Amino acid sequence: KQEVTQIPAALSVPEGENLVLNCSFTDSAIYNLQWFRQDPGKGLTSLLLIQSSQREQTSGRLNASLDKSSGRSTLYIAASQPGDSATYLCAPWNRDDKIIFGKGTRLHILP
Amino acid sequence: EAQVTQNPRYLITVTGKKLTVTCSQNMNHEYMSWYRQDPGLGLRQIYYSMNVEVTDKGDVPEGYKVSRKEKRNFPLILESPSPNQTSLYFCASTYGGEQYFGPGTRLTVT
Repeated sequence: KQEVTQIPAALSVPEGENLVLNCSFTDSAIYNLQWFRQDPGKGLTSLLLIQSSQREQTSGRLNASLDKSSGRSTLYIAASQPGDSATYLCAPWNRDDKIIFGKGTRLHILP
Repeated sequence: EAQVTQNPRYLITVTGKKLTVTCSQNMNHEYMSWYRQDPGLGLRQIYYSMNVEVTDKGDVPEGYKVSRKEKRNFPLILESPSPNQTSLYFCASTYGGEQYFGPGTRLTVT
C-alpha cells in the first residue's frame, strides 16, 4: 500500500527566502506525481504535474523534481512571498489504483 | 470552461437522513474520485471510478455509496449519515494522472 510522507509538517520562513518542501512515497511504481496548494477552507489548486519519465517541471518560481527510484519529490519555491502562505500537498499516482495524498506542509511566509 | 461542480456547497443535516452530494465534470474524463478532508488526517479517498459502471473502494469507504451511470456524473450517497461523517468533501476528475478538483462540500451531521 502506498504511503506518502511530507516533511516538514509546518514551516515558517521570512519573505524572500528560497525553500524546499519534501514528499516521499513508498511505492515507486508511479505514473506521475502532482503538487497542489490549498488555502484554508478552500479547494485544491494544481501547481505542477510531473510524469514518471521526467526529472523536473517548472512553473514560474516553482520547480518540482522527481526521483522515482528513491521515492522522493521536492517542491522548490524561489523568492518566497506572503501570498505563498498555504498548505502544500503531494499526490503520487499508480494509474490503476487509488490515489494517496500526503498530509501536507503548512507554509507561513513572514512579511 | 473545463470544470468540476459539486452541489450543495454547504449542508447541515441530522443523523440518519439520507443525502446525496452530486458531482459533475464536463471534460469527458474517465477517472473520478471522492475525498474527505479532516484536520490532522489530510485528504483521504473514499471511492473512485475508472469508468462508467466501474467503481472501487478507496481508503475510507465505510458508510458511503457511489454510482457511475454516466461518464460525467459521480454522486456520493450517504444512506444513514452519522456525526463522524462531518467533514469537507471533494470530488475530482482525472485525465492522464492530472486531477481537477471541485470546490468542496462542507457537510455537518448533527
